[in-house]
Amino acid sequence: GQNIDQPTEMTATEGAIVQINCTYQTSGFNGLFWYQQHAGEAPTFLSYNVLDGLEEKGRFSSFLSRSKGYSYLLLKELQMKDSASYLCAVMDSNYQLIWGAGTKLIIKP
Amino acid sequence: GAVVSQHPSRVICKSGTSVKIECRSLDFQATTMFWYRQFPKKSLMLMATSNEGSKATYEQGVEKDKFLINHASLTLSTLTVTSAHPEDSSFYICSAMGAATVTEAFFGQGTRLTVV
Repeated sequence: GQNIDQPTEMTATEGAIVQINCTYQTSGFNGLFWYQQHAGEAPTFLSYNVLDGLEEKGRFSSFLSRSKGYSYLLLKELQMKDSASYLCAVMDSNYQLIWGAGTKLIIKP
Repeated sequence: GAVVSQHPSRVICKSGTSVKIECRSLDFQATTMFWYRQFPKKSLMLMATSNEGSKATYEQGVEKDKFLINHASLTLSTLTVTSAHPEDSSFYICSAMGAATVTEAFFGQGTRLTVV
């Protein structure tokens, strides 16, 4: 079966760095997405990785290792507004998104 | 970036009535649209996938006669919740993907449905 695993909840301090991991097992692979979702709102796109390596975009970076079925989202210089759920999703061979359950990130002052 | 508009953002309806939710891609042609349902503190659950001009493909466990999906044009898909019951109360989100935007699924704002 298809499976996406990510931690349920993480806590970090304002100004610090946090890494949210995601491991996956899917039928085929056409890319991995990270989305941010604030409570009561639709997800917003953060990053897309299809090749191995690190993609940096401002305070957010995303890493992918296809051989290990592993990705992480790295958030630097954490701000209170970064408190949200972070969803990992993999596009399978049918171009459908398989979603993880999301990681709730709590930022403390 | 591409914009997907979902309407209404909130709706309250009585049990037994039907509710229609619209999802429009404003600046691109959405060859594929996805409808999701999200329960509190849970991830997105894919309900169905629709391609323009074709019947929607429903995920296992989703009643196609209850959740009617129409994707009549490349810019509009609708989800109709028929004979709504309180257990249908949820957050419904659409996302759209076009041939040129396959690397990103653009989401609508979501619809909070409350059935009383």
